[in-house]
Amino acid sequence: SQQGEEDPQALSIQEGENATMNCSYKTSINNLQWYRQNSGRGLVHLILIRSNEREKHSGRLRVTLDTSKKSSSLLITASRAADTASYFCATTLIQGAQKLVFGQGTRLTINP
Amino acid sequence: DVKVTQSSRYLVKRTGEKVFLECVQDMDHENMFWYRQDPGLGLRLIYFSYDVKMKEKGDIPEGYSVSREKKERFSLILESASTNQTSMYLCASSFFRTSTEAFFGQGTRLTVV
Repeated sequence: SQQGEEDPQALSIQEGENATMNCSYKTSINNLQWYRQNSGRGLVHLILIRSNEREKHSGRLRVTLDTSKKSSSLLITASRAADTASYFCATTLIQGAQKLVFGQGTRLTINP
Repeated sequence: DVKVTQSSRYLVKRTGEKVFLECVQDMDHENMFWYRQDPGLGLRLIYFSYDVKMKEKGDIPEGYSVSREKKERFSLILESASTNQTSMYLCASSFFRTSTEAFFGQGTRLTVV
């Protein structure tokens, strides 16, 4: 079963605007990661946030984690056309071996 | 740079054939993963391995098996390919630590006819 669920499934915004994607998960985690996938390609790691962290920044990316709500958000500021891609959250669970379980993804389109 | 290489970018096989998808990583990673990706379903874990000859089932192992005889190589086997196994297959690897990123191959788009 899917651990993470992203929301929205698709998002279309104008270049320069901020994009926010959300991820909810079901069971306790060690960490949560965000990945990006350009059309038809493999995934590229963007950022990792540990379960004891609440917020993390990397360039134009800001990730928050609320373990009480079992949710995370990814904010991309000042979006660019090149940010058009699918974005996935993935979790590593506390229980069991280090399975990396992905959500269904958010398809982000940046309109010039 | 870390490299995860999948043996084929595109593959077309016939129903009933035995299919091997190969994945090789060059970073001495302990963990290796096989996912399939279908529209609207995201990435679903088929199998993963945390050591040579060790494997664990993911969420959708039915119809698949895996082999890890060497640390750098993780093979996905479709014993008897069926049309519902037409999909994009993604291999990934990572270190055996609790907070570590995974590196992905470029994907193999398999079509079973």
